[in-house]
Amino acid sequence: DGGITQSPKYLFRKEGQNVTLSCEQNLNHDAMYWYRQDPGQGLRLIYYSQIVNDFQKGDIAEGYSVSREKKESFPLTVTSAQKNPTAFYLCASSIDLTSGVYNEQFFGPGTRLTVL
Amino acid sequence: QKEVEQDPGPLSVPEGAIVSLNCTYSNSAFQYFMWYRQYSRKGPELLMYTYSSGNKEDGRFTAQVDKSSKYISLFIRDSQPSDSATYLCAMSLEYGNKLVFGAGTILRVKS
Repeated sequence: DGGITQSPKYLFRKEGQNVTLSCEQNLNHDAMYWYRQDPGQGLRLIYYSQIVNDFQKGDIAEGYSVSREKKESFPLTVTSAQKNPTAFYLCASSIDLTSGVYNEQFFGPGTRLTVL
Repeated sequence: QKEVEQDPGPLSVPEGAIVSLNCTYSNSAFQYFMWYRQYSRKGPELLMYTYSSGNKEDGRFTAQVDKSSKYISLFIRDSQPSDSATYLCAMSLEYGNKLVFGAGTILRVKS
């Protein structure tokens, strides 16, 4: 089955620790995205990547880092510099970002991160 | 002021009711308008999308876009308990897929 997988489903972190959230897709999509979802605020874009070895900051990139070494993988690291990391993190992918027409973004099931 | 405004609800309706969900936006450059449905603790799934103004119907769902008023709506006819979810509106510019989301409206359909 084609789709997007995220792991782990739940993640607990102590203050001061870095954690990495996994996102894998087998849809052969070029573009991948990371969003953060907080109650009452909708989804906010953290980082996105159009092709391998390239990525761009979204609206709330501070305290986060990403890599895109493989087309199918786009891991997100939440660093200790992120002041309020407790949230629901969603990964998405789409065919591409530059074709000039809308391409549906498909979302993974999410990772809920809680800082203890 | 947020770029996309959406009433968070919750909106509670009886089974069989017609539901109206709405978003307003401030950026007149938006061209693509989407509605996503998100069940609790799941990722959003695309329900409907519309390019520019007009209506689009798919089964019990109708999406409307009024660009002159910067207002979009999603109507759900004959609502079912399985429609209970958070509905997120989203929009993007013509070139590029970066989406701007509303906060989401929680819908509860009571049987």
